[in-house]
Amino acid sequence: GAGVSQSPSNKVTEKGKDVELRCDPISGHTALYWYRQRLGQGLEFLIYFQGNSAPDKSGLPSDRFSAERTGESVSTLTIQRTQQEDSAVYLCASSLRLADTQYFGPGTRLTVL
Amino acid sequence: AQSVTQLGSHVSVSEGALVLLRCNYSSSVPPYLFWYVQYPNQGLQLLLKYTSAATLVKGINGFEAEFKKSETSFHLTKPSAHMSDAAEYFCAVSENTGRRALTFGSGTRLQVQP
Repeated sequence: GAGVSQSPSNKVTEKGKDVELRCDPISGHTALYWYRQRLGQGLEFLIYFQGNSAPDKSGLPSDRFSAERTGESVSTLTIQRTQQEDSAVYLCASSLRLADTQYFGPGTRLTVL
Repeated sequence: AQSVTQLGSHVSVSEGALVLLRCNYSSSVPPYLFWYVQYPNQGLQLLLKYTSAATLVKGINGFEAEFKKSETSFHLTKPSAHMSDAAEYFCAVSENTGRRALTFGSGTRLQVQP
């Protein structure tokens, strides 16, 4: 079946603009995760959803970051007033349940000029 | 708190040679451990995972890893490198309860020379 998809694949924006990144998880997967990968670094956990709720938002870097998930399906990560340090690849992963293997999407490469 | 250290940001081997990518972890609870591979312009793909069953874990593409609690290590090996193994490899640890978020190492880029 289809894997995790993310859109857009690339996004270039100007400093101060808002951006929305979308993740479509594998159908039926109840858990969804967002990670960030800065250049030359490992992945950094941002937030996870169990169903439509996000019990732990402590990984979000600042209050400019927010995420939501609807219908236990699509999730959107929103970054307001983007800064240059937000430039990174944003990866989404989903798993059938919290304890199961996470499957990753191809990521969205965000560049803030 | 958990952390992962991958020794060597770049590793180069000859085709047919042994591949050894090192990973050490720290975790306050029994960990789950993972190796993911990222090919150029592709997403992360799970190679193998350890979830407290057998300590020697076999994965895809001929890779395997051994969990050594005494050394807090989970090194990735492959007896004979192939050109197609050139990629970036990430070791990750997760808690075995709760949110199961992965904590990743900084990655090791494997080059395979002909």
